[in-house]
Amino acid sequence: EAGVTQFPSHSVIEKGQTVTLRCDPISGHDNLYWYRRVMGKEIKFLLHFVKESKQDESGMPNNRFLAERTGGTYSTLKVQPAELEDSGVYFCASSQSRLASGANVLTFGAGSRLTVL
Amino acid sequence: SQKIEQNSEALNIQEGKTATLTCNYTNYSPAYLQWYRQDPGRGPVFLLLIRENEKEKRKERLKVTFDTTLKQSLFHITASQPADSATYLCALVSSGSARQLTFGSGTQLTVLP
Repeated sequence: EAGVTQFPSHSVIEKGQTVTLRCDPISGHDNLYWYRRVMGKEIKFLLHFVKESKQDESGMPNNRFLAERTGGTYSTLKVQPAELEDSGVYFCASSQSRLASGANVLTFGAGSRLTVL
Repeated sequence: SQKIEQNSEALNIQEGKTATLTCNYTNYSPAYLQWYRQDPGRGPVFLLLIRENEKEKRKERLKVTFDTTLKQSLFHITASQPADSATYLCALVSSGSARQLTFGSGTQLTVLP
């Protein structure tokens, strides 16, 4: 089966510009997550969709970040306007509905590297 | 404050030896803990999951232990190979309402031939 696909793999933009990252999860996975790793830091949770609904967006840093998952398939993460501190690698992950035990194993994409100059 | 610490940023070992990586946490009540592997330019790949009521899990050359008293998980790779070289991440999910994965910063393992 195809894995989690992210596009673009690398984006270089100037401060103040807009960037939209796209994630195609594994087909049939209801859960879709966005994570981010900024330089030298750990991977941090941004938000979680269940189908098209935002289940948890507690990790979104501010209102310059907008995530959507129309139709419950692919998702986009828009940063507008981008700031220098937004540079990092943005990972998308998906999973099936939670296992009965509550364990949730994530399949990650390769990430989208964002560089804001 | 809540914290997940992995023992060192980098660990070098000789091929054939056992690599042991440590993950310590504070101010969490984890429901379960996961270990992931990450290669350069790739996303994390799931390896093993261990629940709070489990002491040990094994998968081929991998072994994970979980001590909720010490608030620590150990990740072992036996008979290590150069292909095992990667960054290894521990991640946990609290038993509270915020059931999202929280990652440690990772340990970069290099297995020398």
